[in-house]
Amino acid sequence: GEDVEQSLFLSVREGDSSVINCTYTDSSSTYLYWYKQEPGAGLQLLTYIFSNMDMKQDQRLTVLLNKKDKHLSLRIADTQTGDSAIYFCIISGGSNYKLTFGKGTLLTVNP
Amino acid sequence: DVKVTQSSRYLVKRTGEKVFLECVQDMDHENMFWYRQDPGLGLRLIYFSYDVKMKEKGDIPEGYSVSREKKERFSLILESASTNQTSMYLCASSFPSPDEKLFFGSGTQLSVL
Repeated sequence: GEDVEQSLFLSVREGDSSVINCTYTDSSSTYLYWYKQEPGAGLQLLTYIFSNMDMKQDQRLTVLLNKKDKHLSLRIADTQTGDSAIYFCIISGGSNYKLTFGKGTLLTVNP
Repeated sequence: DVKVTQSSRYLVKRTGEKVFLECVQDMDHENMFWYRQDPGLGLRLIYFSYDVKMKEKGDIPEGYSVSREKKERFSLILESASTNQTSMYLCASSFPSPDEKLFFGSGTQLSVL
């Protein structure tokens, strides 16, 4: 079945850029999402990209998709302490029923 | 503001008890989901429902059942709670469209003693 891999931890200094990476196996993936989970809370959609796009920018967030390498990344510019959270890469096979979750990357932002 | 509400934030139960976790959404979503989240394992799908009175098993349905009598409400039932069901439980809902996003509740941290 589909597999989604993320590194578990990332630590950056406040003001630096953060890059969170995700690799997946299913080449038929249609939508690729980044969700954020703050401590003690549920997941919130941050941004998403459709598989026919290479890049999407939304304020401080940049999503890059390399379909050939099946690699998705999320770049957060000017990272703030409020960005400290777990970030999940979620891949859709074209249906809500076929979402595959990465295990999440814990981003720690140090002052 | 769209909302998915889980009835309890924290719950402590004893082994063997029957446990109900309730989830209500106010967005008229057809799809509803129950996940559990465990450290190092990420989120795993327990059950989902794509319509009233419909339910489908997810990846780890053993030890759980669900009920969807009304569109807005999706209940997760632990018939006889066990210690290995101690976990964070997350409810989510969505429209049945490929590009529609999941909306999550805040989670219920269940401890089974």
